[in-house]
Amino acid sequence: KNQVEQSPQSLIILEGKNCTLQCNYTVSPFSNLRWYKQDTGRGPVSLTIMTFSENTKSNGRYTATLDADTKQSSLHITASQLSDSASYICVVSVGISNFGNEKLTFGTGTRLTIIP
Amino acid sequence: DAGVIQSPRHEVTEMGQEVTLRCKPISGHDYLFWYRQTMMRGLELLIYFNNNVPIDDSGMPEDRFSAKMPNASFSTLKIQPSEPRDSAVYFCASSFSPRGAGTDTQYFGPGTRLTVL
Repeated sequence: KNQVEQSPQSLIILEGKNCTLQCNYTVSPFSNLRWYKQDTGRGPVSLTIMTFSENTKSNGRYTATLDADTKQSSLHITASQLSDSASYICVVSVGISNFGNEKLTFGTGTRLTIIP
Repeated sequence: DAGVIQSPRHEVTEMGQEVTLRCKPISGHDYLFWYRQTMMRGLELLIYFNNNVPIDDSGMPEDRFSAKMPNASFSTLKIQPSEPRDSAVYFCASSFSPRGAGTDTQYFGPGTRLTVL
């Protein structure tokens, strides 16, 4: 069964500190992995998309890593800011056809709170 | 561009009533996705379209749900009859994905918060 598990469920850190969120998946065949940021009351916003051949990708203070062998990904946030308070969702795509269409499996997210 | 537009932003209705949610994707995007998000189940993909054609509706929970995309700039998600367990936030997203769905950035709308009493 295709599954995506995220940890921790919630995290509270002080402003300025770094943190790392984890995503483990049991999805096959793997196509790509995405990290989304979702502010309260708003739609998700894409942070990174990584394919099988990519093991790291950065977007400002956000750096995602991917280990396709162990089926693990992490999202590292550097020098956290109050605006980083949000839910972070990991989504893994399964390739289902030769036409590029894919099936998405969602994690339940990590709720991150940055305190001053 | 204004981004993905959804209406209404909030909908409160009584059990048994028909509900229609609307979405205008970003101009030029060829994929449109409908999602549902609840505290219990997180984010779920309901259905997606490519060039106005439904590709995968395996996430639609039951026959009470239907979605249409009559043209490239408009889609609806209809629930008839609605039930309290349908209460959730419904998101629409669009992308330009010449290599196929799921390969490019999806842009989400602000969502419609549906409450069925």
